[in-house]
Amino acid sequence: EPEVTQTPSHQVTQMGQEVILRCVPISNHLYFYWYRQILGQKVEFLVSFYNNEISEKSEIFDDQFSVERPDGSNFTLKIRSTKLEDSAMYFCASRTGAGAIYEQYFGPGTRLTVT
Amino acid sequence: KNEVEQSPQNLTAQEGEFITINCSYSVGISALHWLQQHPGGGIVSLFMLSSGKKKHGRLIATINIQEKHSSLHITASHPRDSAVYICAVPIISNFGNEKLTFGTGTRLTIIP
Repeated sequence: EPEVTQTPSHQVTQMGQEVILRCVPISNHLYFYWYRQILGQKVEFLVSFYNNEISEKSEIFDDQFSVERPDGSNFTLKIRSTKLEDSAMYFCASRTGAGAIYEQYFGPGTRLTVT
Repeated sequence: KNEVEQSPQNLTAQEGEFITINCSYSVGISALHWLQQHPGGGIVSLFMLSSGKKKHGRLIATINIQEKHSSLHITASHPRDSAVYICAVPIISNFGNEKLTFGTGTRLTIIP
């Protein structure tokens, strides 16, 4: 069964460094998402992406964050200058279409630790 | 203001017990998702439903759109069902885009 994959599974970085989290969505999916879960808190929406552009972003997704689909298969989340509070689990998700009948498929997550 | 509320927050039960987890939401929605988060952190989609009831094995999900309430039931619970169960609803933004809003999750522990 096709699945969403994410790399790395765990990333440790120093404050102020740039990180790129990578996702490979399911191949025929058109809508892509990034979510974040700070330890002990609920999952939060970060950004949605369709047709090579951001369709929606949350207040969390400030100028330090960017997303890209560089080659038609990967979907990346970049944090330019990491802060301690960026430490969280980051989940990528994808689906075929928008609307109630289309399920989102989640990746296994990348645990980001900023020291 | 929490748009998605789950109860209970924590639930411990003996193996074999019937489990019910509840989700209430305050906005109009087109569908509701039930997700399972394993101890390692990964998220698996269990159900997406917009009306009535769905069943997968020992899991049953129901939704009442008028009452803005959904329940997830587990029959004959087993220790491998121990996980965090999360309810999520799509909220339509001012720009007409849909984004998932998540509940805080219910941590289920099944004791052998």
